[in-house]
Amino acid sequence: DAGVIQSPRHEVTEMGQEVTLRCKPISGHNSLFWYRQTMMRGLELLIYFNNNVPIDDSGMPEDRFSAKMPNASFSTLKIQPSEPRDSAVYFCASSRQGGFGYTFGSGTRLTVV
Amino acid sequence: DQQVKQNSPSLSVQEGRISILNCDYTNSMFDYFLWYKKYPAEGPTFLISISSIKDKNEDGRFTVFLNKSAKHLSLHIVPSQPGDSAVYFCAAMPSGTYKYIFGTGTRLKVLA
Repeated sequence: DAGVIQSPRHEVTEMGQEVTLRCKPISGHNSLFWYRQTMMRGLELLIYFNNNVPIDDSGMPEDRFSAKMPNASFSTLKIQPSEPRDSAVYFCASSRQGGFGYTFGSGTRLTVV
Repeated sequence: DQQVKQNSPSLSVQEGRISILNCDYTNSMFDYFLWYKKYPAEGPTFLISISSIKDKNEDGRFTVFLNKSAKHLSLHIVPSQPGDSAVYFCAAMPSGTYKYIFGTGTRLKVLA
């Protein structure tokens, strides 16, 4: 079991550029979550999917953020255009439906300059 | 409108002593509470959980207490070890959902 795999580990981009973060959940897990970690707000849930369908995207901060899950083994979080205030660590996590607790990936540290 | 609050950003404890991490919540409709531990440059890892119908759950050196009337959750680590130094997040699951709402975290430093 390779765990939840996120790429890239680090991303530095200029303001206004498009950023795409990627996540491969654990095989057999049918719930996937995108979180953002900042000092001020801790871990914020952005969006979660169940069986590839977005269930709750109320945490997505703005229309600049979008997330997709085209199949059970892949999800993307896109920010377009990126802004300096988007700088944070973005985590993806997965779980079995009804399962207890998540398995988190190692995160993507995004820096927008 | 932080529904899950960890009011202490940091805590230092001597090795061998008890560490107590606290968490308060505002929503009575949480079914489960969890604690996660996070080391630098890694994702959070699950530590211990408690159902809203219980008031205590113990796993080795870790015990979680739930006081529903006070809407308060605490994690006790005894004895504390230097390897316990990490950021600890509490999280709560609203009824009827599979999502967890996390607090802002408490950085624990166990001094050798």
